[in-house]
Amino acid sequence: EAQVTQNPRYLITVTGKKLTVTCSQNMNHEYMSWYRQDPGLGLRQIYYSMNVEVTDKGDVPEGYKVSRKEKRNFPLILESPSPNQTSLYFCASSFRGGNSPLHFGNGTRLTVT
Amino acid sequence: KQEVTQIPAALSVPEGENLVLNCSFTDSAIYNLQWFRQDPGKGLTSLLLIQSSQREQTSGRLNASLDKSSGRSTLYIAASQPGDSATYLCAVPLNTGFQKLVFGTGTRLLVSP
Repeated sequence: EAQVTQNPRYLITVTGKKLTVTCSQNMNHEYMSWYRQDPGLGLRQIYYSMNVEVTDKGDVPEGYKVSRKEKRNFPLILESPSPNQTSLYFCASSFRGGNSPLHFGNGTRLTVT
Repeated sequence: KQEVTQIPAALSVPEGENLVLNCSFTDSAIYNLQWFRQDPGKGLTSLLLIQSSQREQTSGRLNASLDKSSGRSTLYIAASQPGDSATYLCAVPLNTGFQKLVFGTGTRLLVSP
């Protein structure tokens, strides 16, 4: 089954404790992206990657890191999480960025206390 | 700066009604527009992607239209069903590279039996 898999689905952590949210797709997509979704603010792009070893900032990259060492994986790293990073996070992938249907994972709900 | 607006924020209709969801964008120089559905606790599912050269796209009971000159797209749902209850979002690419997408904040639809 074609899918984007994110883990974990739920995560509660404390301020400053490094964490990684994993994302994997099995569709051989070139493009992958991370979004956060907050009430009243909608979906905002954090980082994206057009291919292996090619990543760039979205609209809200501060406090986040990504890497794309393999085509299928695109982990999101929070080196020192803060409470304002409490949010619902989505990973997405597609063949050609926004010019082809975007496939989303089921989300990771992160709470930073 | 591209802004995408969806009005109303919420809509409630009885089963069987035909309905129209609206999406407006401020910069008419778009290359495509994508409609998504989001179920509670789930990621987004791409419903239709309509290219700027097209005026309409259809999938089953869904029909999306695009009018670039007026900065509007509509998603028509025929013979609505309770299973159509979800939040519907639209998104446009921000640039020719299609790396960045701008999302509307969505319309939450409730179809009552």
